Amino acid sequence: GAGVSQTPSNKVTEKGKYVELRCDPISGHTALYWYRQSLGQGPEFLIYFQGTGAADDSGLPNDRFFAVRPEGSVSTLKIQRTERGDSAVYLCASSQSPGRGDTQYFGPGTRLTVL
Amino acid sequence: QKEVEQDPGPLSVPEGAIVSLNCTYSNSAFQYFMWYRQYSRKGPELLMYTYSSGNKEDGRFTAQVDKSSKYISLFIRDSQPSDSATYLCAMSAINNQGGKLIFGQGTELSVKP
Repeated sequence: GAGVSQTPSNKVTEKGKYVELRCDPISGHTALYWYRQSLGQGPEFLIYFQGTGAADDSGLPNDRFFAVRPEGSVSTLKIQRTERGDSAVYLCASSQSPGRGDTQYFGPGTRLTVL
Repeated sequence: QKEVEQDPGPLSVPEGAIVSLNCTYSNSAFQYFMWYRQYSRKGPELLMYTYSSGNKEDGRFTAQVDKSSKYISLFIRDSQPSDSATYLCAMSAINNQGGKLIFGQGTELSVKP
């Protein structure tokens, strides 16, 4: 079946602009995660959804970052007033249940460049 | 100090060599240990998954976890050029209901024909 998909694959924006990044999880997966991966680094956790609610948003760096999952499937990561330091690959992952250690399947990521 | 430490490499080996990749960690609450492989401009894909201590083998890959030393390893036997990628260790704590993964920095591996 289809894996996790993310759109757009690349996004170039100017400092100060607003961006939205979209994630389509695997059908039936209730848990959804956002991670951010800077060049030469491993992914860093941002936020986790169980169903429609954000169960853990402890990784969001500041209040410019916000994410929603209104119907419990597709999720959107929103970044306001973008800064050059926001440039990274934003990865989305989903898992069948929120159980500890449940396999997380990753999408290809959205490469965000802030000029 | 990061919770998970991984030598970033790069590591270059000839085809057929045995590769050893390692991570150390500081959080004794970690109980779930994973190795992901990431090709350039792709998302990570799960290679191996281990719960608590012990060894797990899958084809040419062997994962080892030593919780007493807070040390995990991935061994690749008979390495192939197609194994060239970045290898990421990842861990999750038993007291985290959500399964948030903590990743190492990743080790870049190149297998030369």
